[in-house]
Order: sequence, then C-alpha cells, then structure tokens
Amino acid sequence: DAKTTQPTSMDCAEGRAANLPCNHSTISGNEYVYWYRQIHSQGPQYIIHGLKNNETNEMASLIITEDRKSSTLILPHATLRDTAVYYCIVRAAGGTSYGKLTFGQGTILTVHP
Amino acid sequence: DVKVTQSSRYLVKRTGEKVFLECVQDMDHENMFWYRQDPGLGLRLIYFSYDVKMKEKGDIPEGYSVSREKKERFSLILESASTNQTSMYLCASSGRQGGQSYGYTFGSGTRLTVV
Repeated sequence: DAKTTQPTSMDCAEGRAANLPCNHSTISGNEYVYWYRQIHSQGPQYIIHGLKNNETNEMASLIITEDRKSSTLILPHATLRDTAVYYCIVRAAGGTSYGKLTFGQGTILTVHP
Repeated sequence: DVKVTQSSRYLVKRTGEKVFLECVQDMDHENMFWYRQDPGLGLRLIYFSYDVKMKEKGDIPEGYSVSREKKERFSLILESASTNQTSMYLCASSGRQGGQSYGYTFGSGTRLTVV
C-alpha cells in the first residue's frame, strides 16, 4: 500500500471549513483513498473514501487531484466535536491484503470556539 | 446499533497472567483484525483473520496469539502478559465481496494495563 504524508496538526475555527491535506505521490491505479478519524479514547471511525472522482457524504467531502497524488478532506462546517485525529490511508480494494489498513500518524485537528 | 463489541473497556492484569481479549461483530464480516495503539507509534496491526480458523500475522505478532472458532468472534490472547503489552487494543472487521473489502468498522477499544 502506498505511503501517505499528512501535517502533524491543524487548527480550525468553529463553523468554518476544515481542509485536511494528504499526499500520496506513489499511489497506484487500483488504490483507494480512505479517511478515518479517531476521537479521544474511541476506535477509529470511517468518514469517506474515493478512487478518482470527488466524493461527498453527510460527514465530509473528498477532493482528489487529477493525477491522484494528493487529496483533501473537507469538513464544511467544523464543530467542536470534530476535534480528532484524522487518518488518510491508501490501499487496494482487492488483492491478498484481506482489507488490512495501515495507519500513519494522522493529523490532529483542533476546532476552536 | 453496536456492530463491533469488545468485551472489556478497561482491564488490569498482573505480569505473567494469561489474558483473553474478546471481540464480536454482528455484520457477518469475513475479515477481523486486532490492532494496538500506543502514543507516538500509532495503530499497529497484530494479527488478522480472513476466515474461520484462519489467521495471519500482522506487523507485531510477537507475544500474542489469536483464535477464530466462529465467524463473529475473534480473540486475542496474551499467553504471559508483560508490562510492555500495556496498551489500547482495538478490534476491527470488514466484509469481502468479489475480491474487494468493504465496511471497515472498529470497536471502542480495550485499555489494558499490565502491572
């Protein structure tokens, strides 16, 4: 699975959009980009994933660049409850990895009042 | 709406004890995983299972074993607990269809302290 690079930490004001970047320059054509978040003392929670098209769900939007070497997770109206560690993960959908997720250090997002 | 349940939220055990961490999922998922999480090291995969009675080593299997006798249950076993196994343990599951994995879900975690 391709390696990802994320900033260590970011801050955001409550009510504003939070844009979390992720670099995955070695991504392969069959690898998806997944985003998870982990709120303190809880298990990671799935947010969104995509292959090459932009995706949106009730939690967030995922923007993937045309060359697929980077992506941005957007929380459109951040709240205090969005304070968490956000993980960007790249992995193939199939193959013999049986769905293993390899976590990096993630980005600590702090939403301020 | 609980989908992946870990038997204990907090656990304190003595050095040398045999420890069982249990995980149950109700989504009929084929794949199940055990991770541990430590400050500064992130989540690291210990073992995973892709079918009943099947298991594969993850990145840090030393000191651990697993058991999957039923599809919904995946147990992590510390044969002789040591203080360096004090950690947060997270169980996860995912489905598999047509060679693709989907629906990754994590439990709430078990914080194990070995004294």
